[in-house]
Amino acid sequence: DTGVSQDPRHKITKRGQNVTFRCDPISEHNRLYWYRQTLGQGPEFLTYFQNEAQLEKSRLLSDRFSAERPKGSFSTLEIQRTEQGDSAMYLCASSPDRAWYEQYFGPGTRLTVT
Amino acid sequence: AQSVAQPEDQVNVAEGNPLTVKCTYSVSGNPYLFWYVQYPNRGLQFLLKYITGDNLVKGSYGFEAEFNKSQTSFHLKKPSALVSDSALYFCAVSPIKAAGNKLTFGGGTRVLVKP
Repeated sequence: DTGVSQDPRHKITKRGQNVTFRCDPISEHNRLYWYRQTLGQGPEFLTYFQNEAQLEKSRLLSDRFSAERPKGSFSTLEIQRTEQGDSAMYLCASSPDRAWYEQYFGPGTRLTVT
Repeated sequence: AQSVAQPEDQVNVAEGNPLTVKCTYSVSGNPYLFWYVQYPNRGLQFLLKYITGDNLVKGSYGFEAEFNKSQTSFHLKKPSALVSDSALYFCAVSPIKAAGNKLTFGGGTRVLVKP
């Protein structure tokens, strides 16, 4: 399978704990995006990378959130001191530079904070 | 800032009948417009896009959409709906001038096609 993969698919954590999600984009795609989707809503942009450079961050990305893409391949999204409001589906997408608008989405990581 | 409105939370249609899912947008300058579909327990799948050129664009699975600049709309259509088209549909926009580019999504429309 050469699509976007995300790990884990589901994560249940207690409030105050830290969690980290991983995204592996399609190999030749140098753009990588993170979105968050809550129940009944459309995905909301969080941040995006071009290669290893993080070029834009949403106001939704509080100081407790950090994303990295150290070698321009996979990316991690860490949430520190989780809150119940962080419960959502976290989606990763990738696209090639020449066609940035064709974003291919992974299956998502569903986070539940108890 | 850009925004997308999908005025219908749910659309019900009988199999074989035409399907329309509405989308209007607000963006500074000219837009790139997209439709994605989300099936249960699966990621969003790209259906079609409008970048430039012909206002009627054709996409996957027999879907098409018409860009109407004066009405700032990009409605999704399918001439004959299938039960398998039942899913959650999202319209998205990005301004051409914004290098990036993040997508701004609407709230989604659930389509239920009844046999």
